[in-house]
Amino acid sequence: EAQVTQNPRYLITVTGKKLTVTCSQNMNHEYMSWYRQDPGLGLRQIYYSMNVEVTDKGDVPEGYKVSRKEKRNFPLILESPSPNQTSLYFCASSLYRGSGANVLTFGAGSRLTVL
Amino acid sequence: AQSVSQHNHHVILSEAASLELGCNYSYGGTVNLFWYVQYPGQHLQLLLKYFSGDPLVKGIKGFEAEFIKSKFSFNLRKPSVQWSDTAEYFCAVNGGGTYKYIFGTGTRLKVLA
Repeated sequence: EAQVTQNPRYLITVTGKKLTVTCSQNMNHEYMSWYRQDPGLGLRQIYYSMNVEVTDKGDVPEGYKVSRKEKRNFPLILESPSPNQTSLYFCASSLYRGSGANVLTFGAGSRLTVL
Repeated sequence: AQSVSQHNHHVILSEAASLELGCNYSYGGTVNLFWYVQYPGQHLQLLLKYFSGDPLVKGIKGFEAEFIKSKFSFNLRKPSVQWSDTAEYFCAVNGGGTYKYIFGTGTRLKVLA
């Protein structure tokens, strides 16, 4: 089944403890991206990647890192999490389309709480 | 900077009522436009999209949207809603030739049976 898989789905952690949220897709998509969803703010793009070793900042990249060493994986790294990073996180992927963004396939979401 | 406004944050309708959800964007060039829906307990999924051509686009489950370039709008419509349309709806914009996505704040629709 074509899908985007995120792990963990739920995580409670403490301030400053590094964590990684993994994202993997099995559709051979070039484009992958991370979003956070907060009440009243909708989804905001954190980082995106056009292909292996090609990443760029979205609208809210502060406090996050990403890497794209393999086409199928796009982990989101919080080096020193803070309470304002408590949120619902979504990973998504799509095929590359030369003239702009394409339809996204989303993962199920990862709910992160930072105490 | 690109931005997207969804004017209705919460909408409550009775079954068979008509629906229109507003979406306005701010971007000076060509755009790609999307509506995504998040049903309770499910993944976000595409309702419909506009890349080019006919500005009236049809999506799944009887939804349609009209791109009005002069008004920078991409409103979502459905003539007769069902209880199963209860969900959160997101408008999204991408500036043509870029790969950044800008989402609106979402509209929670509740349909009463």
